[in-house]
Amino acid sequence: QVTLRESGPALVNPTQTLTLTCTFSGFSLTTSGMSVSWIRQPPGRALEWLARIHWDDDKYYNTSLKTRLTISKDTSKNQVVLSMTNMDPVDTATYYCARLEWQQQAFDIWGQGTMVTVSS
Amino acid sequence: DIVMTQTPLSSPVTLGQPASISCRSSQSLLHSDGNVYLSWLQQRPGQPPRLLIYQISNRFSGVPDRFSASAAGSYFTLKISRVEAEDVGVYYCMQATHFPCTFGQGTKLEIK
Repeated sequence: QVTLRESGPALVNPTQTLTLTCTFSGFSLTTSGMSVSWIRQPPGRALEWLARIHWDDDKYYNTSLKTRLTISKDTSKNQVVLSMTNMDPVDTATYYCARLEWQQQAFDIWGQGTMVTVSS
Repeated sequence: DIVMTQTPLSSPVTLGQPASISCRSSQSLLHSDGNVYLSWLQQRPGQPPRLLIYQISNRFSGVPDRFSASAAGSYFTLKISRVEAEDVGVYYCMQATHFPCTFGQGTKLEIK
């Protein structure tokens, strides 16, 4: 069974750096074609893709947020980590990690999400 | 970035009746490999999104056959043949043909 679970702080101060961890099971990020993305959803609003990391360590970022984002993986721990610098209240959202099924090019498995509030 | 425009934004439906949601892409979603990477996701209240349909019309594992989808050029449609109470939620189209992948703004399906 494939699962993903996000973890991280629920509250972040403005200007701080947010670090989120996605711990997954049921697949390996060393398998060709595998990738994990981070996607966020502000309250009551639509989904926004943030970043993706591939099995071969290729990394892709949302163009408008690229300077603030860093994605990495630890294959020994089955984890993907997202860092976002200079947090602002507009970054308040539920942050999801999801697996991209390569051949379908669709997000087939999602984590439950973690709500992050940016406030002083 | 490709803009995905969904209509309607809200759809009140009677239980047992059909429902239809449309999605239009700002550019063709035909990939150079010949595939169209358009998927549909369902987000029930308080839940993460769930994949329903991939590559225009393929139902994902476990998705009831009352869900179907089709395309005509850059216009994509998700249909529910007979709405059930568990279908309440927000539906999103998503394209992954062009980088970055982008989502529609969502269509809220609610029961009349």
